[in-house]
Amino acid sequence: DTEVTQTPKHLVMGMTNKKSLKCEQHMGHRAMYWYKQKAKKPPELMFVYSYEKLSINESVPSRFSPECPNSSLLNLHLHALQPEDSALYLCASSQEETLSYNEQFFGPGTRLTVL
Amino acid sequence: GNSVTQMEGPVTLSEEAFLTINCTYTATGYPSLFWYVQYPGEGLQLLLKATKADDKGSNKGFEATYRKETTSFHLEKGSVQVSDSAVYFCALSRPYNTDKLIFGTGTRLQVFP
Repeated sequence: DTEVTQTPKHLVMGMTNKKSLKCEQHMGHRAMYWYKQKAKKPPELMFVYSYEKLSINESVPSRFSPECPNSSLLNLHLHALQPEDSALYLCASSQEETLSYNEQFFGPGTRLTVL
Repeated sequence: GNSVTQMEGPVTLSEEAFLTINCTYTATGYPSLFWYVQYPGEGLQLLLKATKADDKGSNKGFEATYRKETTSFHLEKGSVQVSDSAVYFCALSRPYNTDKLIFGTGTRLQVFP
């Protein structure tokens, strides 16, 4: 299984809603990532988990809250988002965080719209 | 600092034409280099990679050679197809550090029949 899955595929939420994005991989990877991608831009790193511990937070606002319940799952909890947070949210995983030659495997993304 | 520069798109080609998408990088040490492809409405897929100087990555008819002397990793394909239409991202991963991918801005390829 060389796949990263993400749910939901699309999400529309209001600024007062609380929602969660989910990501799953069964490749035995120990590093997992959240990215945000705006239209016609490259992905921007948000968070990195290594061995289920948060190792990088790229100064992301607290309305985004990541969680790694186990080595296969990664969640992104959303609360009080702003319309400018509308984007494609991508999850990725790699074998180890510190081995630079290990490629990251990306999921298909969740298209988020904040009204 | 570390950075990746890609040629601006869109690149517009007819089917069976030769493709080159330029990518140059700035990095300390010896980074690993990647090409990712993003088809419309999808996530990123790794297309190919090279982890040391003079390595050639290849996949699906695409290839790129890691040139340390020119700090380049240009993507080439001898004969493009309509199905190759996508956005292509060049990226580097810094050595001996967290493997934070540093992406170029992406190049959109449009192939017409």
